[in-house]
Amino acid sequence: DAGITQSPRHKVTETGTPVTLRCHQTENHRYMYWYRQDPGHGLRLIHYSYGVKDTDKGEVSDGYSVSRSKTEDFLLTLESATSSQTSVYFCAISEPRLAGQYSTDTQYFGPGTRLTVL
Amino acid sequence: AQTVTQSQPEMSVQEAETVTLSCTYDTSENNYYLFWYKQPPSRQMILVIRQEAYKQQNATENRFSVNFQKAAKSFSLKISDSQLGDTAMYFCAFMKHTSGSRLTFGEGTQLTVNP
Repeated sequence: DAGITQSPRHKVTETGTPVTLRCHQTENHRYMYWYRQDPGHGLRLIHYSYGVKDTDKGEVSDGYSVSRSKTEDFLLTLESATSSQTSVYFCAISEPRLAGQYSTDTQYFGPGTRLTVL
Repeated sequence: AQTVTQSQPEMSVQEAETVTLSCTYDTSENNYYLFWYKQPPSRQMILVIRQEAYKQQNATENRFSVNFQKAAKSFSLKISDSQLGDTAMYFCAFMKHTSGSRLTFGEGTQLTVNP
């Protein structure tokens, strides 16, 4: 257990509405990531963060924005949700150095959020 | 760009037997990590095993071991003494040996362990 929670765990929304997903970690890990999982694609990186207020785009970032104002929270926002953003969203954390039970540079995942956009 | 290929969409094995899941990857990097993650029906992504490319010794974690062939770009997972709880989707993943790099995943292999 890497002390990662995601909220909400399930959400149904309508096309065109804004949606924010939250990832919260309790152990001050430096790197945080947002992935989406779709059938036939495995997981794909949306955005990641390498520190407070430091973020960068992943391979499928269009339509998404992120913010990290505190070490422990990484927010993913869909400004205007579309049906193509129906997916399962995973947050992950990693550390660039060995830290207790956590292996260097290894990503540990939260429980996921299932988002349905109607 | 890196790619990861898992050529077995589904596999099944009898309880207590051994099964091997295949993974191949393509990269021009010389130093990198390879991982196997397990996703049971609960949907949680669980780390199974990790391999650093510069280490020639194959990683092992209890009943799980890998066969890492760097020249062939092959990274297979062997599960010994299969248990019903091993039923899950298994993903192979690649990551550059740079902190903060993204994981590149294969499409997964659904493993079913039969009683």
